[in-house]
Amino acid sequence: DTGVSQNPRHKITKRGQNVTFRCDPISEHNRLYWYRQTLGQGPEFLTYFQNEAQLEKSRLLSDRFSAERPKGSFSTLEIQRTEQGDSAMYLCASSPSGGPTDTQYFGPGTRLTVL
Amino acid sequence: AQSVTQLDSQVPVFEEAPVELRCNYSSSVSVYLFWYVQYPNQGLQLLLKYLSGSTLVESINGFEAEFNKSQTSFHLRKPSVHISDTAEYFCAVSDLNSNYQLIWGAGTKLIIKP
Repeated sequence: DTGVSQNPRHKITKRGQNVTFRCDPISEHNRLYWYRQTLGQGPEFLTYFQNEAQLEKSRLLSDRFSAERPKGSFSTLEIQRTEQGDSAMYLCASSPSGGPTDTQYFGPGTRLTVL
Repeated sequence: AQSVTQLDSQVPVFEEAPVELRCNYSSSVSVYLFWYVQYPNQGLQLLLKYLSGSTLVESINGFEAEFNKSQTSFHLRKPSVHISDTAEYFCAVSDLNSNYQLIWGAGTKLIIKP
């Protein structure tokens, strides 16, 4: 069990470009979450998957954001036409079954800087 | 809507002294309560959680937190801190109103002074 991994760890892009992040959850974890964290704040929920199904999206998630989890394994988060306000740490977490009492296991995050 | 308040952004404390990190939440509807810790250059990891039963929960490294329903609080305490406790601590709450998604506080940085 190697834990949750995220790639890349850092991404610098110019405003208007598209970026894609990848998350590999702990194997056999059914639920996968994406969060965004800005400086001095706690994580904010963006979306989650139960296996390959995207079950909930936060109102924070604009139309420029899209997430996928094909085959219920790894997940990707794409941001189109990036804006400076998208600069943040993007966190991925997974949990075994997705029950409300489950522990979430977090990856190290991808830090996005939009110039 | 549920909200979580961690009033102290930083708490400096001398090594071997006691510490309390405060966490208050807004809604007293049946809740699940969590403390996560982020050590320098590492991802968030669960420290302890309250689900039901005894209001006092403990972690393996000497931290404890007490669920206080009337005060809507879940403060984290340790009687004697060590330099290795240097980290940022996040309180999180989930309830039916949030569809059991975690609502997070802004975090408290614990700074251990030698």
